[in-house]
Amino acid sequence: QVQLQESGPGLVKPSQTLSLTCTVSGGSISSGSYYWSWIRQPAGKGLEWIGRIYTSGSTNYNPSLKSRVTISVDTSKNQFSLKLRSVTAADTAVYYCAGDSSGYYPFFDPWGQGTLVTVSS
Amino acid sequence: DIQMTQSPSSLSASVGDRVTITCRASQSISSYLNWYQQKPGKAPKLLIYAASSLQSGVPSRFSGSGSGTDFTLTISSLQPEDFATFYCQQSYSSALTFGGGTKVEIK
Repeated sequence: QVQLQESGPGLVKPSQTLSLTCTVSGGSISSGSYYWSWIRQPAGKGLEWIGRIYTSGSTNYNPSLKSRVTISVDTSKNQFSLKLRSVTAADTAVYYCAGDSSGYYPFFDPWGQGTLVTVSS
Repeated sequence: DIQMTQSPSSLSASVGDRVTITCRASQSISSYLNWYQQKPGKAPKLLIYAASSLQSGVPSRFSGSGSGTDFTLTISSLQPEDFATFYCQQSYSSALTFGGGTKVEIK
């Protein structure tokens, strides 16, 4: 079955750009079965959807983060990526990638294991 | 944005108890409502999709109901492995949103 794995720096300096990659295994990222989403969770807090991309390149973003976020896809590597610009301590969180099923009633499944990103100088 | 409000934010219950968690949407979302369970240090796990459809492999003690703006997740007989935080999530809008979570603790 499809599995996801996040990768990227665990420490980012304030005002810099957070960059993460999600590698999809067990299936093609271009299958058309999923949107590909990023979700984050600050320590002890709830889940916040960041945005998603379809393999056509179309994207949807959380309006509260839209001005700082770019999600892209690299079908040749079976990966999709997140860039979050101008980060502050408030962006410190566990970041998850997830497959967002493109069926009639979408849902998040599968999920990556998550990666902690700390914003600190 | 569609706001999702869960209640209660936390509850204490005993093994064998029937537990009900409520999720309310700020506008009608038809049946575009999913429920997830999250244990500490782990990614969320899908329990229920389309308001009432049980995800494959999820025990039948979990059930979901509702449509429009009001939804419920019920655990018919709480088991030790069910102590966790539960989240609802709407997929009606292209701006996806989660509820704030309900932490189920041991009484």
